Amino acid sequence: QSALTQPASVSGSPGQSITISCTGSSSDVGGYKYVSWYQQHPGKAPKLMIYEVSNRPSGVSNRFSGSKSGNTASLTISGLQAEDEADYYCYSYTSSRIYVFGTGTQVTVL
Amino acid sequence: QVQLQESGPGLVKPSGTLSLTCTVSGDSISSNNWWTWIRQSPEKGLEWIGEMHHSGTTMYNPSLKSRVTISVDKSKNQFFLKLNSVTAADTAVYYCASADNYVTVYWGQGTLVTVSS
Repeated sequence: QSALTQPASVSGSPGQSITISCTGSSSDVGGYKYVSWYQQHPGKAPKLMIYEVSNRPSGVSNRFSGSKSGNTASLTISGLQAEDEADYYCYSYTSSRIYVFGTGTQVTVL
Repeated sequence: QVQLQESGPGLVKPSGTLSLTCTVSGDSISSNNWWTWIRQSPEKGLEWIGEMHHSGTTMYNPSLKSRVTISVDKSKNQFFLKLNSVTAADTAVYYCASADNYVTVYWGQGTLVTVSS
C-alpha cells in the first residue's frame, strides 16, 4: 500500500486561504468516507483536525474544512494564522482493511 | 479524557526485538476501540503498524506483518507492540493510539526507539 500523495509544502500570508491536496486511489481515498487530517507541530503528536472527509472534532477551529472529489481529498485552512504553521497529514482507511498516511505537507505562514 | 502513554527501551540492538507498552487511562481496553501502533521516521514519514481489538482480532501493515505482534492485557489496561529482527530502518518515534469507528483520535506523546549496536 503506497503512501497517499501530498504536496511537500504550501505557504500563504496571514489571513489568506490555502488548500492541501491528498491523492490516493479508488482503494483508499476514493472508496471510503474514512479520510482524516492531522496537524503536527514539531516534537508533538499529531492532532486530529478533520475526520470522515469533512467533519471537525469539537474544539477545532471552523477555519479548517475538508472535502473530497474522486480519489483526491483536500484540507482548506481559511484566515491563515501564525499558529497554523505545522505539518499536515491525510490518513485513509483502505480496501485491505489497513490504514495509510499521506506523505505530509509543511505549511508555512509568510 | 483518554490518555495513552508509551514506555519501553529507547535503544535496541540490530536483530533484536523492539518491545513497547502503552498504558491507557480514561477508557477501558475492553471498549469497542481498536488499539493502534503508528511510527514516524524522517525517511518514511508516518506509518501505520497495526491495530488490535480486545476480542483478539488484529490487523497488520503487510510490510511489517511477518515481524509484528500486537497484544493486550485487559487486567492492566495496557497493550503491547513487539517487532522482531529490527534494523536501523526501524529507528523511529513510536506512537500508540486509539481508533473508534475508523477515526484515530487519541495519541500518546510518542517514544523514540533507536536501533543501534
